[in-house]
Amino acid sequence: DTAVSQTPKYLVTQMGNDKSIKCEQNLGHDTMYWYKQDSKKFLKIMFSYNNKELIINETVPNRFSPKSPDKAHLNLHINSLELGDSAVYFCASSQVRQGVSGANVLTFGAGSRLTVL
Amino acid sequence: GQNIDQPTEMTATEGAIVQINCTYQTSGFNGLFWYQQHAGEAPTFLSYNVLDGLEEKGRFSSFLSRSKGYSYLLLKELQMKDSASYLCAVDNYGQNFVFGPGTRLSVLP
Repeated sequence: DTAVSQTPKYLVTQMGNDKSIKCEQNLGHDTMYWYKQDSKKFLKIMFSYNNKELIINETVPNRFSPKSPDKAHLNLHINSLELGDSAVYFCASSQVRQGVSGANVLTFGAGSRLTVL
Repeated sequence: GQNIDQPTEMTATEGAIVQINCTYQTSGFNGLFWYQQHAGEAPTFLSYNVLDGLEEKGRFSSFLSRSKGYSYLLLKELQMKDSASYLCAVDNYGQNFVFGPGTRLSVLP
């Protein structure tokens, strides 16, 4: 059973189109994330949700809209795709430990490679 | 601001030992992580340090000095399958993980 699954794995589309990537985790984690990894392999956080509430929204164009229908799902919708949106998008989850010294280990999905032509 | 530095690339020989360094400057610190990422795959967790000192896990060890903003990952008895990128990341509180640029390690026979 895949812990964090995201679909689709590959997405090729034209500039100006709208597309969505879906993510689901079966780990019972409270927090989910979207990261973008560009061609230079830099992983940058885009969004973070805790129990369906948005807690981190980095400087991301408002063409990107995350949606969390429940704490096990975090989807990413992208409007009016641009060439610069081409990247690998990783979904991740973690169980945040409050007041306990412990690792908030991120578990990543396999990634969704988006190519905008 | 947030800044994490790592060497971009390293090369080592099978069976050798390699040390990958990471320096960081972040507004908060709730632990430092090392992740391994093989080409075309997701990052996977390797190690975690929140207190100063060395954490050992089989062939992999990780060291942290909070006063120096410094960590390293030590890989012993290198194997070909260790060829991958190694990502240093800081838990900056508030579920905000800041990643370094990654070090691509090539293990040669």
